[in-house]
Amino acid sequence: GDSVTQMEGPVTLSEEAFLTINCTYTATGYPSLFWYVQYPGEGLQLLLKATKADDKGSNKGFEATYRKETTSFHLEKGSVQVSDSAVYFCALSDGGGSEKLVFGKGTKLTVNP
Amino acid sequence: SQTIHQWPATLVQPVGSPLSLECTVEGTSNPNLYWYRQAAGRGLQLLFYSVGIGQISSEVPQNLSASRPQDRQFILSSKKLLLSDSGFYLCAWSVRTGAGTGTEAFFGQGTRLTVV
Repeated sequence: GDSVTQMEGPVTLSEEAFLTINCTYTATGYPSLFWYVQYPGEGLQLLLKATKADDKGSNKGFEATYRKETTSFHLEKGSVQVSDSAVYFCALSDGGGSEKLVFGKGTKLTVNP
Repeated sequence: SQTIHQWPATLVQPVGSPLSLECTVEGTSNPNLYWYRQAAGRGLQLLFYSVGIGQISSEVPQNLSASRPQDRQFILSSKKLLLSDSGFYLCAWSVRTGAGTGTEAFFGQGTRLTVV
């Protein structure tokens, strides 16, 4: 079945450091790819998404590019802030009509001032 | 605008007791509905999803069941809780497009269940 593998962390960075969280996937067909973020004590919210190969999703300074050749969707940000501290989840949707999501295990990011 | 309500926020239940978690969505019709569980160290696992009233698909065989008695209501239940049922339960919804266009899922605030 479909699966998502992401760097588990935890990741600790200083403010203004560069962030990369790796994510690779296994899927039949042509999935849509997502990054969700979970702030402490809250539910998940969509950070960005890409629906086809070579698409770049971006939001709040975060970016990820859908790479079909390497089956990857790595999350990057050039300069992290303390407020970016959260758990980040990579996910895919197989587009089968139910739009159900398959998630990676999540990466906890802590940004220190 | 659409909103999703999930309650209670926290719950402590003894082993062997029943469970009922409720989720309702407002401001949309005919949504896809989902129950996920987040257990420590295990990421987010899809438990059930529903594409219509009375239509429930189970992803993982377990001690839990789900029902969708109304279009925008999704209920997660158990007759007898196990210690392993502890976790953070999240309800979510998405627009049913049927086209596989990468529709966003919207999540509730979650229920922290501790089975003691």
